[in-house]
Amino acid sequence: GAGVSQSPSNKVTEKGKDVELRCDPISGHTALYWYRQSLGQGLEFLIYFQGNSAPDKSGLPSDRFSAERTGGSVSTLTIQRTQQEDSAVYLCASRGGGTSYEQYFGPGTRLTVT
Amino acid sequence: AQSVTQPDIHITVSEGASLELRCNYSYGATPYLFWYVQSPGQGLQLLLKYFSGDTLVQGIKGFEAEFKRSQSSFTLRKPSVHWSDAAEYFCAASSNTGKLIFGQGTTLQVKP
Repeated sequence: GAGVSQSPSNKVTEKGKDVELRCDPISGHTALYWYRQSLGQGLEFLIYFQGNSAPDKSGLPSDRFSAERTGGSVSTLTIQRTQQEDSAVYLCASRGGGTSYEQYFGPGTRLTVT
Repeated sequence: AQSVTQPDIHITVSEGASLELRCNYSYGATPYLFWYVQSPGQGLQLLLKYFSGDTLVQGIKGFEAEFKRSQSSFTLRKPSVHWSDAAEYFCAASSNTGKLIFGQGTTLQVKP
């Protein structure tokens, strides 16, 4: 079946602009995660959704970052007033329910802030 | 604080040689443990996982990993490395929410 998809695959934006990154999880997966991968910080957790709720937002680096999930499916990560340090690859992953703790990752969105 | 450490940033092995990648974790309790592989420009692919039970787990592409509770370690191994195994390898741990804490990654270079 289809895996996790993310769009766009690449995004170049000017400093100060807002960006939206989209994640389509595997159908039926109840849990969804956002991570960020950057040269200086490695792979970092950003936020976790269970259904449409976000019980763990502890990894969001500032209040410029927000995310939502609708219909228990698609999620959007929004970065407002982008800064150069926001340049990174943003990865989305989804996980099925029950005792399966395997996460399946999308290909990522490469964000470059100029 | 919860953490995962991969002591080796970069490893070079000859094709056909054996591979061992180290991973240590620091958690309140034994977490769920994973090894992921990332090829250049690609997403993360799960190689194998440990939840409980047998401390030697088998994964895809001929990889296996050994969990040692006494050493808080989860070591990835492959008996004979192929050139296509050149990639970056990430060890990760999670609690029951599934949130992954990753190690810094180990880049594997394979010499012909």
